[in-house]
Amino acid sequence: DTEVTQTPKHLVMGMTNKKSLKCEQHMGHRAMYWYKQKAKKPPELMFVYSYEKLSINESVPSRFSPECPNSSLLNLHLHALQPEDSALYLCASRQSGTTSYEQYFGPGTRLTVT
Amino acid sequence: TQLLEQSPQFLSIQEGENLTVYCNSSSVFSSLQWYRQEPGEGPVLLVTVVTGGEVKKLKRLTFQFGDARKDSSLHITAAQPGDTGLYLCAGAGAGNNRKLIWGLGTSLAVNP
Repeated sequence: DTEVTQTPKHLVMGMTNKKSLKCEQHMGHRAMYWYKQKAKKPPELMFVYSYEKLSINESVPSRFSPECPNSSLLNLHLHALQPEDSALYLCASRQSGTTSYEQYFGPGTRLTVT
Repeated sequence: TQLLEQSPQFLSIQEGENLTVYCNSSSVFSSLQWYRQEPGEGPVLLVTVVTGGEVKKLKRLTFQFGDARKDSSLHITAAQPGDTGLYLCAGAGAGNNRKLIWGLGTSLAVNP
């Protein structure tokens, strides 16, 4: 099973709202990722968690707050977003270890900030 | 800084035609992955190539990794409308598999 699930599928939020995106995988992967993607562009890395610890933050604004409650779950908390934050937010996971390269993506959450 | 140049950026062809997409870099990669993405969905992994000179086939798709592990190509034979989508190459740098270096993508439209 190479499935990564994400909820919700679509989210519309105002600039003063607080919302959360959720990601789950049951492949035993110990590296999990958040990406932001604009239309017809490659994914832009936001955060990487390795063994439930934040290992990479690509200088993401503090209005995005990641959380990894356990090895299967990854959340992205959103607060005071801007319209330019509207995008497809993708979660991915990778099996840990130095010889594993493949990242498996979820279907994404389409976020619209009004 | 490692970069992956992907070409062409856009491609519109008729059903039945062949096409090739290229990913090139001046840097060596430990591995290179090809993904296909449909609108509103996440990228789906098609293949990973690891060994220089490696060729992998997936039905009508042929993937090649350059001998020096700096470039890769994706060839589609007899394209079908179902092949339409965004094709992305992504490379893992030597000694660092936590981050992928992404090409800009090739948006392919196959017209019936």
